Amino acid sequence: QKEVEQDPGPLSVPEGAIVSLNCTYSNSAFQYFMWYRQYSRKGPELLMYTYSSGNKEDGRFTAQVDKSSKYISLFIRDSQPSDSATYLCAMRGSGGSNYKLTFGKGTLLTVNP
Amino acid sequence: DTEVTQTPKHLVMGMTNKKSLKCEQHMGHRAMYWYKQKAKKPPELMFVYSYEKLSINESVPSRFSPECPNSSLLNLHLHALQPEDSALYLCASSQDSGRETQYFGPGTRLLVL
Repeated sequence: QKEVEQDPGPLSVPEGAIVSLNCTYSNSAFQYFMWYRQYSRKGPELLMYTYSSGNKEDGRFTAQVDKSSKYISLFIRDSQPSDSATYLCAMRGSGGSNYKLTFGKGTLLTVNP
Repeated sequence: DTEVTQTPKHLVMGMTNKKSLKCEQHMGHRAMYWYKQKAKKPPELMFVYSYEKLSINESVPSRFSPECPNSSLLNLHLHALQPEDSALYLCASSQDSGRETQYFGPGTRLLVL
């Protein structure tokens, strides 16, 4: 079993739809959870950053972490064509030696006008 | 400001060439990273610098040589590369290697002929 599992998609939705992106993980030491958005041929852009369990909202984006289920989600409300990108989940442990981000494979999202 | 800059944006080099990639951040971050990303794959960690010292080398071949001249700059020197080294090379930085999350630059797209 891989440490982080993420459905690569592709996922295609109409403009205005609610999008749900998910990752599961197996390493219970993970404490920090991130979502990055990566446009084609560009670097990853940090969207959301959550420590431990709970929800975090930023505009149209909501990140949820359920450590008991080892499951994280990113919701995008009122999706726009400009949201079309690859979404990468990433996570890491805490402490000085836990520098390494473990990424999911990324989900390719297309929002159709 | 959460900007990491990288130069050049694109680089084409022959297998006998020597070239360098540059990365700069002015966020006062003390950890800097080099990643390699192949198409449709997540980033793979190559090197970690913490407080200007190389702390992690993820078994990267010696044809890649990192350098951290000061706390804001990170270089990656390239020599005798192979065509399979063609990829997007990403620089990232974080407050330090044990806390906070990593902010990525736009990347240098490298083609080795």
